[in-house]
Amino acid sequence: KQEVTQIPAALSVPEGENLVLNCSFTDSAIYNLQWFRQDPGKGLTSLLLIQSSQREQTSGRLNASLDKSSGRSTLYIAASQPGDSATYLCAVRPLDSNYQLIWGAGTKLIIKP
Amino acid sequence: KAGVTQTPRYLIKTRGQQVTLSCSPISGHRSVSWYQQTPGQGLQFLFEYFSETQRNKGNFPGRFSGRQFSNSRSEMNVSTLELGDSALYLCASGTQGTQYFGPGTRLLVL
Repeated sequence: KQEVTQIPAALSVPEGENLVLNCSFTDSAIYNLQWFRQDPGKGLTSLLLIQSSQREQTSGRLNASLDKSSGRSTLYIAASQPGDSATYLCAVRPLDSNYQLIWGAGTKLIIKP
Repeated sequence: KAGVTQTPRYLIKTRGQQVTLSCSPISGHRSVSWYQQTPGQGLQFLFEYFSETQRNKGNFPGRFSGRQFSNSRSEMNVSTLELGDSALYLCASGTQGTQYFGPGTRLLVL
């Protein structure tokens, strides 16, 4: 059974720092992995999607990597800003599913001005 | 293109009542998935519909049901509400392996 873990559960850093969020999964048989952002009380915004054949994806100050063999993904945020404060979730789509995603519990990120 | 829309955005019900939530996917998307998000359990998959057929179902009791119409709009119904059903219910429409989420319906059961 696929399980997704995100560490740390919460993180607080000063503005301007580069930071890394971690996501691990137990079964490497995945179709893709996605990173999402969720603001308090709001829905989810997809940040980056990495297909199982890819190693990384970049969007602006965000870079996500995927090491399928070790069951790990990282989300790198460069030059953090207070507006980056949110909960970041990773989710994997198992190979044997259609659109069902298995979710991590998220990392709550606070960027201090 | 308009994004995924969900109605209502907020809902208060009492135990034992039933509720119906609605989701309109992005135009052209035929897959709609539903998720429940609670502080204790996180995000959990409820079910997925594709072309009016339930294609996948999560581990929820039969009180949770859904359907999809020919225009891809989907509804989710919860009967005999329990306090533990209080949650944010998220709908997502999908294409080519990517899901796009709506803002959610926040349900409070008193």
